[in-house]
Amino acid sequence: DADVTQTPRNRITKTGKRIMLECSQTKGHDRMYWYRQDPGLGLRLIYYSFDVKDINKGEISDGYSVSRQAQAKFSLSLESAIPNQTALYFCATSDRTGSGANVLTFGAGSRLTVL
Amino acid sequence: GESVGLHLPTLSVQEGDNSIINCAYSNSASDYFIWYKQESGKGPQFIIDIRSNMDKRQGQRVTVLLNKTVKHLSLQIAATQPGDSAVYFCAENTGGFKTIFGAGTRLFVKA
Repeated sequence: DADVTQTPRNRITKTGKRIMLECSQTKGHDRMYWYRQDPGLGLRLIYYSFDVKDINKGEISDGYSVSRQAQAKFSLSLESAIPNQTALYFCATSDRTGSGANVLTFGAGSRLTVL
Repeated sequence: GESVGLHLPTLSVQEGDNSIINCAYSNSASDYFIWYKQESGKGPQFIIDIRSNMDKRQGQRVTVLLNKTVKHLSLQIAATQPGDSAVYFCAENTGGFKTIFGAGTRLFVKA
């Protein structure tokens, strides 16, 4: 099984619908993240959480919300989806390497299309 | 503002040749620089990192070079293989958890 599992892998929805993307991890990491990937823009941080009681906005949090249900579970919601939220979404956890860098472990991604 | 950019959006190399992927950064205060590889249909995967007080670090078939004078980072892949075909991202790790990604370079390996 994957260390970081995202569901669904693909989703097509209509404008105005509520969408939830789910993420679970078996890494045992406290830190979890949601990123958005658009062509040519790299990955941008939506929200992050350092533990169950800690939720923080990233650089592009408008239009999104999250819930940290447990150490292993972190879900992303779009309350009212709009077409410019069409993107590839990644959940990640992080830990430090031996040299001290904060390294991310990503899920396989959830491709969302909003019509 | 902070940014991590790449000199070339695509790179095509012959199988067996060495690949060099370049990256420019703007934040001199970054503690670490990290390279990730993203294969089609998958999430980015950690390759190698380098601490800001180093100028070179080697891994298995990969070498990362850091030139802080010109704020330049490169990833060298020796004897490039078809399995190396992917998008490569450089990233700055600042303030502990914070990571800033570049736009990515797509590497094509020709057989």
